[in-house]
Order: sequence, then C-alpha cells, then structure tokens
Amino acid sequence: NAGVTQTPKFRVLKTGQSMTLLCAQDMNHEYMYWYRQDPGMGLRLIHYSVGEGTTAKGEVPDGYNVSRLKKQNFLLGLESAAPSQTSVYFCASSPPAGGPHEQYFGPGTRLTVT
Amino acid sequence: GEDVEQSLFLSVREGDSSVINCTYTDSSSTYLYWYKQEPGAGLQLLTYIFSNMDMKQDQRLTVLLNKKDKHLSLRIADTQTGDSAIYFCAETTSGGYNKLIFGAGTRLAVHP
Repeated sequence: NAGVTQTPKFRVLKTGQSMTLLCAQDMNHEYMYWYRQDPGMGLRLIHYSVGEGTTAKGEVPDGYNVSRLKKQNFLLGLESAAPSQTSVYFCASSPPAGGPHEQYFGPGTRLTVT
Repeated sequence: GEDVEQSLFLSVREGDSSVINCTYTDSSSTYLYWYKQEPGAGLQLLTYIFSNMDMKQDQRLTVLLNKKDKHLSLRIADTQTGDSAIYFCAETTSGGYNKLIFGAGTRLAVHP
C-alpha cells in the first residue's frame, strides 16, 4: 500500500514550457486535491475532484488544468509555465465527507520556473 | 472570507511544553485539524477536534478550542527534538467535499 505518490519529485522548466504532474493513490479514495505551498502562505487549493470524471476549481486555479480520467489518478497540467508558478505542489486524497476524514498527502513536487 | 492565522515561528527547549496557537474565521467549521510537516515531506494528520468539543487529549498532545473567540491551540508536552517540524492548523470550509483552509504554518524549533 503506497498511499499517495507523485511524479516527478523535482523539475525545472523554462518560462512558456508545459508539463504534467501525476498523482496516484491506491486507497480507493473518492476525493483528490492539488495544492501549492509557498513560504509564509501555507497550502492553497488549486483544483479538486470529487470523483472520476469530475473536477472543480479551488482557491488559485488560474494557469492550471486538471483531469481525473481514472479514480486513482489526478493530473495537474501547466500549459505555459510562469515564474510565479515556482512552488512545491502537493497532491492529497480523502474518503468522502461525513466525518473527520484525514487528507493523505503525497511527498510533493518541487517545481522551479526560470 | 474564510481565513486561518498562525504565528510563523516558535522555539522551545527540549523537555518543555510547546503551545501553538491558531485563529480561524468560519464559525460553521465542523472539524478543526492539526497537521505536521517534517522537512522534505508531505503533511500528516496529527489530531483533530470536533467543533462541539472544548478539549481533546491524545498522549502528549492537547487540543483546546474556544469557539467564542475562534481560537484553537495545540499543546505538546515534553517536547522532543523529533517534534521539530512545521505545524498547520486547518478548518473545514462551508463549501463541503472535505475541503480545508490551512494556516501558513508554525515552524517549531526544539533546542537542547
């Protein structure tokens, strides 16, 4: 049981390049989330998904797109990277709401855009 | 709007108690959480409290909730060097789907 995994762990992009971050979970969780973490700002929700084939915008969705074609995978895409997207990106998953459900986090992807 | 605030840094001596404070704005939050992040890792749930409780104790951890003042605190007794990490306070949002609003995190440094 690997939990939540993220690939890649590190990436350096030039401004204008595109990339996709992959998140996978093996806990059969319905809900999945993408966050970015910036110094002094905590975690901010980019997009989330409440089930296969569904996605929704979070707090800071601009410049990002997501897809949830399979229940276990949640992809985050940057179509044209900007230096402001330099950050650490975390994926998380959780069971459906209805209790104090923990969000399980991946180890993060550190992205630098030059 | 919804907001969670924490002080950014706390330094304590090994063996002392640590108290990390948090204020939140959404009075409809059902649960409030404390997550821990160790260097180079993702967040991990430490503990949570239901909004109709005042206190919860779990081994060395004590969570206090003052709903009137929208104030949450985490006390770590007998703090050890292994407790050095960033601690995030989080509240459930009114939007559902188990979405959370996180504070900026408090970096706890434990020194001998």
